[in-house]
Amino acid sequence: KNEVEQSPQNLTAQEGEFITINCSYSVGISALHWLQQHPGGGIVSLFMLSSGKKKHGRLIATINIQEKHSSLHITASHPRDSAVYICAVRSEGGSQGNLIFGKGTKLSVKP
Amino acid sequence: NAGVMQNPRHLVRRRGQEARLRCSPMKGHSHVYWYRQLPEEGLKFMVYLQKENIIDESGMPKERFSAEFPKEGPSILRIQQVVRGDSAAYFCASSPRYGRMGTEAFFGQGTRLTVV
Repeated sequence: KNEVEQSPQNLTAQEGEFITINCSYSVGISALHWLQQHPGGGIVSLFMLSSGKKKHGRLIATINIQEKHSSLHITASHPRDSAVYICAVRSEGGSQGNLIFGKGTKLSVKP
Repeated sequence: NAGVMQNPRHLVRRRGQEARLRCSPMKGHSHVYWYRQLPEEGLKFMVYLQKENIIDESGMPKERFSAEFPKEGPSILRIQQVVRGDSAAYFCASSPRYGRMGTEAFFGQGTRLTVV
């Protein structure tokens, strides 16, 4: 079993829908990251969380440390949100940058 | 301020050759991280470097792989005697002086290595 599990693996939505991507992990962590990988392969860092909730534009990330679970929400989805969303954790005692990655959730938003 | 620059974007090597992947961090960034993404697999951490220092190389294969980040010039990931299993996308990221690897980390576009 992977230390970081994401669900769903694939997600298709209609433009305007509210989207949730889930991430569960099995190790103690000091931080959790959400990344976006575009169809061309480039990677963008969206959020880093250690507790609570963060919001940036239409993106919201939450984390529940006790439950070892994080969610990424996209409100009013748009076709340009189509990408692979990757959850990654930094384990307790690990160096920064030494991240354990999920396999990603491939999101396709249809117009 | 240019982003993280990786070159080449695509690299083809024959088995047994050497591959050199370069990463120029963002201006003012002194921390560099390398990751590998094998086909149909997730990203995996390889190595974390500061200028002239390797901080964490726990993700590096024990043989054939090495990385450096000299005082001047880009960070280099070097793969000697490449094999087909080295075919992957290699990503570099950098973060600022005080090592804030949160949303202040920026990724390059990656180098896609194909071993034939």
